[in-house]
Amino acid sequence: NAGVTQTPKFQVLKTGQSMTLQCAQDMNHEYMSWYRQDPGMGLRLIHYSVGAGITDQGEVPNGYNVSRSTTEDFPLRLLSAAPSQTSVYFCASRLKLNTEAFFGQGTRLTVV
Amino acid sequence: GENVEQHPSTLSVQEGDSAVIKCTYSDSASNYFPWYKQELGKGPQLIIDIRSNVGEKKDQRIAVTLNKTAKHFSLHITETQPEDSAVYFCAASRDGGFKTIFGAGTRLFVKA
Repeated sequence: NAGVTQTPKFQVLKTGQSMTLQCAQDMNHEYMSWYRQDPGMGLRLIHYSVGAGITDQGEVPNGYNVSRSTTEDFPLRLLSAAPSQTSVYFCASRLKLNTEAFFGQGTRLTVV
Repeated sequence: GENVEQHPSTLSVQEGDSAVIKCTYSDSASNYFPWYKQELGKGPQLIIDIRSNVGEKKDQRIAVTLNKTAKHFSLHITETQPEDSAVYFCAASRDGGFKTIFGAGTRLFVKA
């Protein structure tokens, strides 16, 4: 039982480069989210999805895109990386909103 | 907008002592309050949660209390052990909403 799988675990990008952070879950959860974690700021919601084909913005969506073509996958795309996007990124999934969130192991991204 | 304030940001206790972390939420419609523990290099993991129809919930050495009138909820850890050392996050969400709001986190150190 894999749960929520995020790849890669570490990534270094140059300013202006683009990349996709992958997230997959095998629990048939409808709700998936992306968070960024910065020191002293907790977990801030970037984008979320309530089901395949449905996505919406969270608190800090600028510079990021998402799509949800299948229930299992919810990739996060950085369009043109900036140093301000240096952070640890977590993907999470839930059966329903007001239930336990299952988090991936995180992706530590550094933009130089 | 909705927010969750968490205190203290850092807490250091002696092994065997109790630890208390407090959170205040702003959205009076919130009705689900989970607590997550994050160990170094890992994603957050649910340790206990409470819904607004109860005032207290216990699970071995961990308990959560909820005061809906004051919009406060707290995590209590008794007989702390070194393996309790981690970052703890409180969170709040509500039926019909699509977002979970997290507190900024508390770094707990348990000294042996």
